[in-house]
Amino acid sequence: DIQMTQSPSSLSASVGDRVTITCRAGQSITNYLNWYQQKPGKAPKLLIYGASSLGSGVPSRFSGSGYGTDFALTISSLQPEDFATYYCQQSYSAPPWTFGQGTKVEIK
Amino acid sequence: QVQLVESGGGLVKPGGSLRLSCAASGFTFSDYQMSWIRQAPGKGLEWISYITRSGNTIHNADSLKGRFTISMDNARNSLYLQMDSLRIEDTAVYYCARTLDAGKVDYWGQGTQVTVSS
Repeated sequence: DIQMTQSPSSLSASVGDRVTITCRAGQSITNYLNWYQQKPGKAPKLLIYGASSLGSGVPSRFSGSGYGTDFALTISSLQPEDFATYYCQQSYSAPPWTFGQGTKVEIK
Repeated sequence: QVQLVESGGGLVKPGGSLRLSCAASGFTFSDYQMSWIRQAPGKGLEWISYITRSGNTIHNADSLKGRFTISMDNARNSLYLQMDSLRIEDTAVYYCARTLDAGKVDYWGQGTQVTVSS
């Protein structure tokens, strides 16, 4: 299995802050990297696919970057509705695919 | 609109069995791959099973050790997960997930809770 490691595990930030979450793969996954947002008690929502493509209906303050083993999710200006847990997921290998352990974004 | 509705979860004793169902609507079910993904209490996401649109190819997580079986019925627009020899560590919310090519999930069900406890 390809291991996915996110950092940090949690962070505190204020509305309006720029926030970056990183995800590292245990081997090259080219651009087969997706990001999801999950709010408490809800199913995850696809934010970014193919490392940098914005999901349907996702605000433009979200962006993704990276290739190979190192990736990042950036929120350019944190909004109240963005406080959630974020997961990266690789889809390079054969399924079933693997997720990072998650990054919880909390209000400072 | 696309809807995925899971059912069949509940409380079961260790060693017992459960069959989860996922009723799909709002899209042509037979055109899509499908998956089951679970989330233990307070933990992250674990992709446990995947089936191609034809039903001919299945991939399961090694951690299941052959105890779970995914299947689909295109005539009923339904996905299933037969879970046998359940263990306490199988306690989780189980999500049904529409899986696009290149392994991304664009729609999720609301989840069904499975609790394994004596």
